[in-house]
Amino acid sequence: QQQVKQSPQSLIVQKGGISIINCAYENTAFDYFPWYQQFPGKGPALLIAIRPDVSEKKEGRFTISFNKSAKQFSLHIMDSQPGDSATYFCAASIGPSGTYKYIFGTGTRLKVLA
Amino acid sequence: EAQVTQNPRYLITVTGKKLTVTCSQNMNHEYMSWYRQDPGLGLRQIYYSMNVEVTDKGDVPEGYKVSRKEKRNFPLILESPSPNQTSLYFCASSGSTSGDYNEQFFGPGTRLTVL
Repeated sequence: QQQVKQSPQSLIVQKGGISIINCAYENTAFDYFPWYQQFPGKGPALLIAIRPDVSEKKEGRFTISFNKSAKQFSLHIMDSQPGDSATYFCAASIGPSGTYKYIFGTGTRLKVLA
Repeated sequence: EAQVTQNPRYLITVTGKKLTVTCSQNMNHEYMSWYRQDPGLGLRQIYYSMNVEVTDKGDVPEGYKVSRKEKRNFPLILESPSPNQTSLYFCASSGSTSGDYNEQFFGPGTRLTVL
């Protein structure tokens, strides 16, 4: 019940295309859903996040879509660029103000071809 | 520069030899956390701390200890390391929530090998 299932494991997209990564969760107590981006040899960095009272959040080329009834959320990267090639992790969090105990997905390795 | 630092960055040790990985942040953050990253398993939370002297278990706490005696430091202790603790370890910190985000800032990672 604590798991966050992430798919696909890897993704190859042409430059300019749309990258879509999906996550599903079971525990309805989760109340904060961030996405992290990780480049090789670096720690993860927050990309974008959403709370369950919102169905969509957009920041530049990155959009989170959130479906509370289906317990699913996804990351869309529009106009994908080679510089977006990285590993992406979804996460869900529990705790005061939606933080503290974090469950991460298993990651998606994205490669954007030039 | 606002950052989370970890030391050492790389460590090779032998089974049973106690070790400590240090973590320090200079952002006056209340919250700190330790994760391990393994291929195919993503990031798994080991322990977290909501403030000084307040710690709690994450998903995989077995074999690890932590302490939070000062706000800026959150060391990870392996009292008797075993080969299954060979992993890449990340420390993270975050401040009070505001708006939509509670951004965790991650350190550069510590690659630990236990022989």
